[in-house]
Amino acid sequence: EIVMTQSPAALSVSPGERVTLSCRASQSISSDLAWYQQKHGQAPKLLIYGASTRATGIPARFSGSGSGTEFTLTISSLQSEDFAIYYCQQYNNWWTFGQGTKVEIK
Amino acid sequence: QVQLVESGGGVVQPGESLRLSCVASGFTFNSDEVHWVRQAPGKGLEWVAFISYGGQNKYNPDPVKGRFAVSRDNSKNTLYLQMNGLKAEDTALYYCARRLRSSHKAFDVWGRGTLVTVSS
Repeated sequence: EIVMTQSPAALSVSPGERVTLSCRASQSISSDLAWYQQKHGQAPKLLIYGASTRATGIPARFSGSGSGTEFTLTISSLQSEDFAIYYCQQYNNWWTFGQGTKVEIK
Repeated sequence: QVQLVESGGGVVQPGESLRLSCVASGFTFNSDEVHWVRQAPGKGLEWVAFISYGGQNKYNPDPVKGRFAVSRDNSKNTLYLQMNGLKAEDTALYYCARRLRSSHKAFDVWGRGTLVTVSS
């Protein structure tokens, strides 16, 4: 099983700040990596797939990068609606998720 | 619009069975690979089942292998998850999700989930 490790577990950020979330795979997954956003009481929402391709309707302030085992999700200027939990997911060998990073208001 | 709606959750005792359903609408269900993903209370996401568009290919990860069985009825636009031998650790919100129509196997459509509680 490929283990996905996200860091940090949580961070406090002020609106307008730049945010960088990390995700590491236990073995190479090429670019088979997605990012999801989950707000309280809602289903996850696909943000990024293929490590760097934004899903339909996702604002340009969300960007993804990386390949192999190290990946990053960047939110260029955090908006109030972006406070949520973010999960990475690999789909190179079946499917596994990271444990999530909670982005909280500072 | 494109939608997935789960049902069938409830409270059961350890060792009992439950069947979840997920009805699709707004897209050609028989063309899409679909999945079940669960989320224990206050915890992260865990993938638990996959079934190909025609139903011929299926897979469950180790935590549920041999206890959970996924199936689909394309004539009814419905996905199922038969859960047997339920354990307390199976308590979770169960989502169905559609795989992206791409070479990338992310999930682009999710239902709102149905809650399964296993408790004596």
